Amino acid sequence: DTGVSQDPRHKITKRGQNVTFRCDPISEHNRLYWYRQTLGQGPEFLTYFQNEAQLEKSRLLSDRFSAERPKGSFSTLEIQRTEQGDSAMYLCASSSSRGPYEQYFGPGTRLTVT
Amino acid sequence: AQSVAQPEDQVNVAEGNPLTVKCTYSVSGNPYLFWYVQYPNRGLQFLLKYITGDNLVKGSYGFEAEFNKSQTSFHLKKPSALVSDSALYFCAVRPGVSGTYKYIFGTGTRLKVLA
Repeated sequence: DTGVSQDPRHKITKRGQNVTFRCDPISEHNRLYWYRQTLGQGPEFLTYFQNEAQLEKSRLLSDRFSAERPKGSFSTLEIQRTEQGDSAMYLCASSSSRGPYEQYFGPGTRLTVT
Repeated sequence: AQSVAQPEDQVNVAEGNPLTVKCTYSVSGNPYLFWYVQYPNRGLQFLLKYITGDNLVKGSYGFEAEFNKSQTSFHLKKPSALVSDSALYFCAVRPGVSGTYKYIFGTGTRLKVLA
């Protein structure tokens, strides 16, 4: 079963450093989403790709955050100049545009900023 | 503002009893509605969805949910709870507005099924 994979699973970094996370969606899925989840909260939408096009970004996504999906396959999420408030679980999900619209989630990358 | 509410942080139910986990929403258009479950140290798993049609939808593991348009609710139900159903449950809504693809999640309800 080739589900959604994310790498790394855990990342500890010092404040001010840059980090990059990778997501590999289910191969036939052309829709890809990034979310952030903090303790006691549900996933919070960050951004959405259809193929390689980034079609929607949350207003919560500051200019320190950037995401790419260069060939419409895997995606990367980069956080520059990390802050302690960036500590969270970063989730990736994919779905097919042909429906039925449910998302398949990866295991997440847990970021700790010290 | 568009939102999803799960009014109960935790629901306790005895094994074998029926369970209900509540979800209400406030979004534009005719939304798509989902339930996901999260087990410890595992990713979110899709349970069921409402897109259109019959208001009662059935999903994985014997769960079902009823869409109520007038009450803007989508409560998750199961006739007979199992201890293994204990997990964190999230309601999610995709607004029915063209040009937006975001999904809005509730804060989650922890279900504890007691043996």
